[in-house]
Amino acid sequence: RKEVEQDPGPFNVPEGATVAFNCTYSNSASQSFFWYRQDCRKEPKLLMSVYSSGNEDGRFTAQLNRASQYISLLIRDSKLSDSATYLCVVKSSNDYKLSFGAGTTVTVRA
Amino acid sequence: NAGVTQTPKFQVLKTGQSMTLQCAQDMNHNSMYWYRQDPGMGLRLIYYSASEGTTDKGEVPDGYNVSRLKKQNFLLGLESAAPSQTSVYFCASSYEGGGTQYFGPGTRLLVL
Repeated sequence: RKEVEQDPGPFNVPEGATVAFNCTYSNSASQSFFWYRQDCRKEPKLLMSVYSSGNEDGRFTAQLNRASQYISLLIRDSKLSDSATYLCVVKSSNDYKLSFGAGTTVTVRA
Repeated sequence: NAGVTQTPKFQVLKTGQSMTLQCAQDMNHNSMYWYRQDPGMGLRLIYYSASEGTTDKGEVPDGYNVSRLKKQNFLLGLESAAPSQTSVYFCASSYEGGGTQYFGPGTRLLVL
């Protein structure tokens, strides 16, 4: 079983729509959670950290459910520039290593 | 600041050839990482270095070697390239092994 699993999508949405997707993680000892964004043929970049109480960054909202071991990302008022692959990332507290999901692809159309 | 840089950007090798991928960071980060990214697999850690002079194996180290002689540089070597090593290789760095990692632009490697 993969440590981090994501629905690969693609999620095709019109501009202005709301899109949400989850990822699940298998290691209950995981302590830190992140969403990274990766544009086509580019490197991953940190989008936001995910905190236990949930957090927002502009149009992006991240939620963590420790009991069910899943993380979600919601994008409101989608823009064409939101088209990318979103990587779910998990880290154990005593480890340097990050575990990456394979990514969820979002395509926003005009 | 250039951030994390990688050379080369593209490389084609024949089976059995060797090569070194270079990574440099100018952020004074202690930790550096080498990943490979294959379709549908996500990023997989090959090797990482918590500090200058130290290295540790990641998830998929076989067929690779690394060196971290200077804090700002992390080299990844392919001893005898195989077609299974065709991939996109990313180098990353972070301050102290935290979740915020900064990635280089990647090296696309094709092994024939």
